[in-house]
Amino acid sequence: SQTIHQWPATLVQPVGSPLSLECTVEGTSNPNLYWYRQAAGRGLQLLFYSVGIGQISSEVPQNLSASRPQDRQFILSSKKLLLSDSGFYLCAWRGGGNTIYFGEGSWLTVV
Amino acid sequence: QKEVEQDPGPLSVPEGAIVSLNCTYSNSAFQYFMWYRQYSRKGPELLMYTYSSGNKEDGRFTAQVDKSSKYISLFIRDSQPSDSATYLCAMNPPNAGKSTFGDGTTLTVKP
Repeated sequence: SQTIHQWPATLVQPVGSPLSLECTVEGTSNPNLYWYRQAAGRGLQLLFYSVGIGQISSEVPQNLSASRPQDRQFILSSKKLLLSDSGFYLCAWRGGGNTIYFGEGSWLTVV
Repeated sequence: QKEVEQDPGPLSVPEGAIVSLNCTYSNSAFQYFMWYRQYSRKGPELLMYTYSSGNKEDGRFTAQVDKSSKYISLFIRDSQPSDSATYLCAMNPPNAGKSTFGDGTTLTVKP
């Protein structure tokens, strides 16, 4: 069966520091992968999606970037965090029937 | 105007009640419809998935799609305190690279 792993689960970072969130999917090949952000009490905002290695589509302009160095690995990065980057970050992959499956999420607090 | 509208609630019901959660949408190309349940500080989990119009039942949960009205519903029978969560609807056209999510409805089931 397919599983998705995302880490770290929680992190507190100072303004201006770098960020790296990692996500891996097991049990499938060449999946569509996604990064979402969910602000407190808000809906899901699609940040990036990828249909293959090195193929990244950005949905919103911001100081975040994404990379897909391997088929089942998706990384969300920032060189310098802003206070507004705080939120709940979710990695996801697309399964059969156009369904989306989410990881457990990463809570980021920028202080 | 958002493509998908969902009443944020909060919705509070007594244990055993029938719960009705709803979303409306504007894009007539949507054909795949999903409902997710999200517990506090967790990633959303897929509850129900339907294609095109009609009903689908899974235990205490029933998903309905009315494409003529651009309206989808999730019914929860015999609601339990463990059903307390935020419920998100999602939908997309065929072969879409990404899904459109509602902002979620927060449900509390009181014992």
